[in-house]
Order: sequence, then C-alpha cells, then structure tokens
Amino acid sequence: EVQVVESGGGLVQPGGSLRLSCVLSGFHFSSYAMSWVRQAPGKGLQWVSSISGSGGATYHTDSVKGRFTISRDNSKNTLYLQMNSLRAEDTAVYFCVKDTGFVLPAAASHWGQGTLVTVSS
Amino acid sequence: QSVLTQPPSVSAAPGQKVTISCSGGSSNIGNNYVSWYQHLPETAPKLLIYDDNKRPSGIPDRFSGSKSGASATLGITGLQTGDEADYYCGTWDTSLTAVVFGGGTKLTVL
Repeated sequence: EVQVVESGGGLVQPGGSLRLSCVLSGFHFSSYAMSWVRQAPGKGLQWVSSISGSGGATYHTDSVKGRFTISRDNSKNTLYLQMNSLRAEDTAVYFCVKDTGFVLPAAASHWGQGTLVTVSS
Repeated sequence: QSVLTQPPSVSAAPGQKVTISCSGGSSNIGNNYVSWYQHLPETAPKLLIYDDNKRPSGIPDRFSGSKSGASATLGITGLQTGDEADYYCGTWDTSLTAVVFGGGTKLTVL
C-alpha cells in the first residue's frame, strides 16, 4: 500500500522560508515522478512543482520560479519543497503527490493529506 | 483564470447520470492524456480517471472518461449522495511546460 506523509508546514512571515518534506513508501520511489500541488483557501487545485524519477528534470509553475525548489532523495524515499521569499498568496494546503509517469508528470495517483502553510505577519 | 475550463457546478438527482466537461487546447488536452480527480472536503484528492479513460484499481465503473479533440468529459452514473464533491480535470501543457488543472466543478446530488 502506498503511503504519503507530508510535514514541515506552519506559520511564516512574508519574505521567510520553509521546507516541506514528504516521505513515501509502498512502491519503488525512484521509478516515479513526484509533484507538489496546493489549494489556497476557497480556491481550486493549483500545480506547484514536479520532479522526474531520477531528479534530473524539474518543473515549476511561473508564480514560484526563482523562489521554490523541488528536490528528492531517492535513498530516503523523500520529496522536498524549499520555499523562499514567501508571500501571502502562497498560503495554502500543500499536497505531496506520487505520479504515474517517470520523466513528465502524467497523473497524480496518490496524494498525501496535505500540510498547511500560512504566510502572515 | 484556469487554462482548462470546467463548469462551476452541476447537479442531478440520486440514481441519475451527470457529465462534467473540461475544455482546453491543442497544447494540453489535444495532445496529452487527461486525468480526473474527486476532492471531498477535508480529504486528500482521489484519482478517478487517467490516460483519458482508464480507471485505477478500486474506482467503480460508474465513473468514466472520454476525450474528443481538445475537450474531455467525466461521466458519473447511478449518482449517490457520497459523490457530492469537487471534481477537477488535469493534464500536461506542452507549451507552458506545466501541469494544468481546470477550475473545478462542484457536484450536488439533490
């Protein structure tokens, strides 16, 4: 059974930094692309970032380019999202997602319960 | 403004059928596989359909997906009150080099 457990969310001031972590189990971690998807209060799902199975390719939505970095440690079955220069509009529940693809994200097959990031002074 | 367009809401009676549309363009739906997700409040979203029309293990055949050109459709038959949720379509956009989601459709089972 695939398990997805996020951590690292919390309250941070505008301009601050936060690192989200996600530990996954129940499958061969390095064989699948991984993503972060967020949902701001009262809004729909928004894709944030994806990374290929090998970690060699990364993709980010325009609004976070230059501020967020997705990475993975295949030896620890762990996905990360380093978030810098945080803004109020980054406030959201962040979901860690296992994809069905390897290089490009194809479909989000398994989702974590989400971790809340609040950016406020 | 979402790249993929979905109706904000749909409704139908228990036992009836409903369809949810998802409209895009050649850089996304027209040339890439579509997936559909169900999101109940306070829960993790669930994959319902992938590769346009495939169901993951455990998803009942009441849920179906189809695609024609740059539009995709999710169909749900035998509606149950437990189907009340937000539904999202998603795909890869080759021009944007990004995953794109629709704005979501709220299903009400009257």
